[in-house]
Amino acid sequence: DAGVIQSPRHEVTEMGQEVTLRCKPISGHNSLFWYRQTMMRGLELLIYFNNNVPIDDSGMPEDRFSAKMPNASFSTLKIQPSEPRDSAVYFCASRRTSGGKETQYFGPGTRLLVL
Amino acid sequence: RKEVEQDPGPFNVPEGATVAFNCTYSNSASQSFFWYRQDCRKEPKLLMSVYSSGNEDGRFTAQLNRASQYISLLIRDSKLSDSATYLCVVNNDMRFGAGTRLTVKP
Repeated sequence: DAGVIQSPRHEVTEMGQEVTLRCKPISGHNSLFWYRQTMMRGLELLIYFNNNVPIDDSGMPEDRFSAKMPNASFSTLKIQPSEPRDSAVYFCASRRTSGGKETQYFGPGTRLLVL
Repeated sequence: RKEVEQDPGPFNVPEGATVAFNCTYSNSASQSFFWYRQDCRKEPKLLMSVYSSGNEDGRFTAQLNRASQYISLLIRDSKLSDSATYLCVVNNDMRFGAGTRLTVKP
């Protein structure tokens, strides 16, 4: 099992540029989550999907952020235009609910630095 | 009030000590509870689920107190390798607490 795969692992960009983060969940998992982690704000839930459908995007900071899940094996988080305050580690996680039990696994994260 | 609140610590304890963390939640309808561990510059990893009757896994014990709306994690005989940040997660939409930093010293 390859686990949750995220790309890129590191991204350095300039303010105003578009950033696209990618996530491949674990096969068979039916929920996908995007988180952002900073020292100041901790681990924040941005958005999550159940069966490819966005359920709660209340954590998305502003309209510059958008997320899609076109199929069960791929999701993107896009920031356009990026700003220095978007610098953080972005985690994708997927979850399988089976027999009433929920098992969530995180990807290794994407470290984003916006200059 | 935040949905999930944790004492950020840090907790600095000697090897062999017993240490406990609490996590309070605001939604009384919450059904799912978990403890995660996060090492420096790594992703969070599931440590254990928290069941209504409480559960134990080796040196780790998790408990749920619905009346007071908190979950707890107890670590007995702490090891140097237990040094990490411990995060609680409450409810179906997997919102995390801020995390409690633990350092176990020789």
